Amino acid sequence: EAGVVQSPRYKIIEKKQPVAFWCNPISGHNTLYWYLQNLGQGPELLIRYENEEAVDDSQLPKDRFSAERLKGVDSTLKIQPAELGDSAVYLCASSLDGETEAFFGQGTRLTVV
Amino acid sequence: GEDVEQSLFLSVREGDSSVINCTYTDSSSTYLYWYKQEPGAGLQLLTYIFSNMDMKQDQRLTVLLNKKDKHLSLRIADTQTGDSAIYFCAESLSYSGGGADGLTFGKGTHLIIQP
Repeated sequence: EAGVVQSPRYKIIEKKQPVAFWCNPISGHNTLYWYLQNLGQGPELLIRYENEEAVDDSQLPKDRFSAERLKGVDSTLKIQPAELGDSAVYLCASSLDGETEAFFGQGTRLTVV
Repeated sequence: GEDVEQSLFLSVREGDSSVINCTYTDSSSTYLYWYKQEPGAGLQLLTYIFSNMDMKQDQRLTVLLNKKDKHLSLRIADTQTGDSAIYFCAESLSYSGGGADGLTFGKGTHLIIQP
């Protein structure tokens, strides 16, 4: 069974450009998470979806970040425009529901230059 | 506020035991977790302990919790090269295997294995 798939694995963009990350959760998993992991830090939750509904986006910087999970399966996370400080690893995870173990993707490493 | 502290590095010889320590500040934390992150990979939940427990053992892993001192440790017996990774301690008010709601992570401890 495939795990959580994220793409791209790496992305380098110039500041002020837009960027998007894609996540395909494990089949049947209703809960999907996006995390931000800065270098040398633990992950920080950006947004959590239950099916297609964003149930916790309190940590998502809404001035430049947006996310969607239109059909309750795949999800995209977008940054527009990107800033130098956005350089980090963006992790996606999914779980059957919000109370069972989540499985993480390998992440997308973003470098903003 | 919540805070989780870990030492940044731990170096051990292959075959020895590794003990990774963590302190937390939120006395109302109910669940404490250990995650493993290998290079270029996402996080993997290793084990967790409920706050009314003192110890939990799972094969080579032993978790000790001192709730009075707010101290959590992870012991890895017979450390192997495959154990080389970053280990994150995390706390939450409720069970959240997803690492989402209310989960606060430490900065992680790099476990370095010497041959």
